Amino acid sequence: GEDVEQSLFLSVREGDSSVINCTYTDSSSTYLYWYKQEPGAGLQLLTYIFSNMDMKQDQRLTVLLNKKDKHLSLRIADTQTGDSAIYFCAETSWQGYKLSFGAGTTVTVRA
Amino acid sequence: ETGVTQSPTHLIKTRGQQVTLRCSSQSGHNTVSWYQQALGQGPQFIFQYYREEENGRGNFPPRFSGLQFPNYSSELNVNALELDDSALYLCASSPDTGELFFGEGSRLTVL
Repeated sequence: GEDVEQSLFLSVREGDSSVINCTYTDSSSTYLYWYKQEPGAGLQLLTYIFSNMDMKQDQRLTVLLNKKDKHLSLRIADTQTGDSAIYFCAETSWQGYKLSFGAGTTVTVRA
Repeated sequence: ETGVTQSPTHLIKTRGQQVTLRCSSQSGHNTVSWYQQALGQGPQFIFQYYREEENGRGNFPPRFSGLQFPNYSSELNVNALELDDSALYLCASSPDTGELFFGEGSRLTVL
């Protein structure tokens, strides 16, 4: 199967770190992605990680991958109000022709 | 700005009708994929086209069909619309490097 699961909601105070978690079941996953979707908008690619890596950092974003446990996380440092959105975890296998998405985590940043 | 434009942005149809959604992607993006995103869910892969040929399909019935044209535009056609077809339809194009660029989507409501 290609199930991807995420927690549905996260509330965080402005300036704190946010951590969004994701688990997946497909052991042949090669790329894992984090997308951001703001209300009424399409999907914005935030970052991705190749399955032979365990960490990737890109400015305020840190992705951690535990391939043994099939667990992926996205940490957003110094969370801002503009980070309020739905965040989707997605994976693709070596075939590469489709992404399997989780249901999304709604992140609400409070002042 | 991803360079992927979709039309129309919103439309309303009645059950049993047919709909055509359009997508225009960047020059050089030989691959186009279509996704269906129902309210409160993650996007679900419909199908993918590469150089005008379908090369992957998700779990959608044959009444969902597509076309890709040499000018980097594409269409998603849905026949015999059902209420459950109400969703945001996302087009994503990619160059041969594989990164997906999503459009803002077409929101279809079936009454």
